[in-house]
Amino acid sequence: DGGITQSPKYLFRKEGQNVTLSCEQNLNHDAMYWYRQDPGQGLRLIYYSQIVNDFQKGDIAEGYSVSREKKESFPLTVTSAQKNPTAFYLCASSGSGVGNQPQHFGDGTRLSIL
Amino acid sequence: QKEVEQDPGPLSVPEGAIVSLNCTYSNSAFQYFMWYRQYSRKGPELLMYTYSSGNKEDGRFTAQVDKSSKYISLFIRDSQPSDSATYLCAGITSGTYKYIFGTGTRLKVLA
Repeated sequence: DGGITQSPKYLFRKEGQNVTLSCEQNLNHDAMYWYRQDPGQGLRLIYYSQIVNDFQKGDIAEGYSVSREKKESFPLTVTSAQKNPTAFYLCASSGSGVGNQPQHFGDGTRLSIL
Repeated sequence: QKEVEQDPGPLSVPEGAIVSLNCTYSNSAFQYFMWYRQYSRKGPELLMYTYSSGNKEDGRFTAQVDKSSKYISLFIRDSQPSDSATYLCAGITSGTYKYIFGTGTRLKVLA
């Protein structure tokens, strides 16, 4: 089945540690996105990528980094500089045709601090 | 003011009721609108995707966009307990990659 796979489902971070969240899609979508979801705040865009080897900062990029070496993969690293990383992280993708295609989401990774 | 506003709920209805979920938005450049359903600890699932004003129907779901009022609605007919979830609306302007989401309305359908 075509879809977006996020792993792991749950992740724990120690102080000073970087952690990487995985996102893989087999929808052949060009664009991929990372969101952070906190209670009562909706979805906030962290980073997005329109094409391989290119990505742009979203509204809350500080303390996060991404790479896009392959079309199907868009991993997110939560660095130690992100002081409040506890949240539900969602990866999404959309087809080409800017604004013409809806986003599809993975099932998220819940990150907590140890 | 947030670009997309939703009442957080919870909205509780009896099984079989018609549910009306609503969003208002402030960006008149929005051209595409989406409704997502999100179950607890899961990612949002796309329900409806509409362009500009008008109605779109898919099974028990009808999406309605009124651009003159900057108002979008999702109607659920014959609601079921399995419809209990959080519903997110979103808008986007053509030519951008920035989807703007509401904070979601929590729906409870009581058996």
